Amino acid sequence: NAGVTQTPKFQVLKTGQSMTLQCAQDMNHEYMSWYRQDPGMGLRLIHYSVGAGITDQGEVPNGYNVSRSTTEDFPLRLLSAAPSQTSVYFCASSYLGGGPSTDTQYFGPGTRLTVL
Amino acid sequence: AQRVTQPEKLLSVFKGAPVELKCNYSYSGSPELFWYVQYSRQRLQLLLRHISRESIKGFTADLNKGETSFHLKKPFAQEEDSAMYYCALSGGDQAGTALIFGKGTTLSVSS
Repeated sequence: NAGVTQTPKFQVLKTGQSMTLQCAQDMNHEYMSWYRQDPGMGLRLIHYSVGAGITDQGEVPNGYNVSRSTTEDFPLRLLSAAPSQTSVYFCASSYLGGGPSTDTQYFGPGTRLTVL
Repeated sequence: AQRVTQPEKLLSVFKGAPVELKCNYSYSGSPELFWYVQYSRQRLQLLLRHISRESIKGFTADLNKGETSFHLKKPFAQEEDSAMYYCALSGGDQAGTALIFGKGTTLSVSS
């Protein structure tokens, strides 16, 4: 299993540009989420999904869109990039339901985004 | 509202000294508590969760519902423990609730 993969690893954008951060998992996890990691702020939840066709907002959703058309993929779209969106973005996935193996989040390697 | 508080940004200890990373939470239901760790240049990974009641790499954490705390402890720190540690919470009584993280504590262990 590849686990959780993210592309690209690094990206530089100009203010106003749009782009999509890709996230995929091959573990058949129902739950997927996006976080941004900023110094002194920890990990903040942007959007999450509990299954194909279902998404919800997290703590900091403004400026980002998501969709979940398949179980495997959960792309994050920046509509019009701003310098405040300079961050490291992590995708994560997990099983749902009961039992000790559920809810353990598996993280991708991250995408480091710089907006000039 | 769900909230996780890690009061220390940085904790510096000497090798062999005891370590306690503090975590307090706010949640109205029955939460599930986790500790995640991020070593330098590695992805975030689960260290332990309260429901498992296990010791991982010498670390333990006990859920104290009265004090709403989930502090991470290790009796003798090692240099390889140096990393960023995040306490996290999810709604254990509600499947599919989001995982909320604290701001993290950097543990630095020196010889």
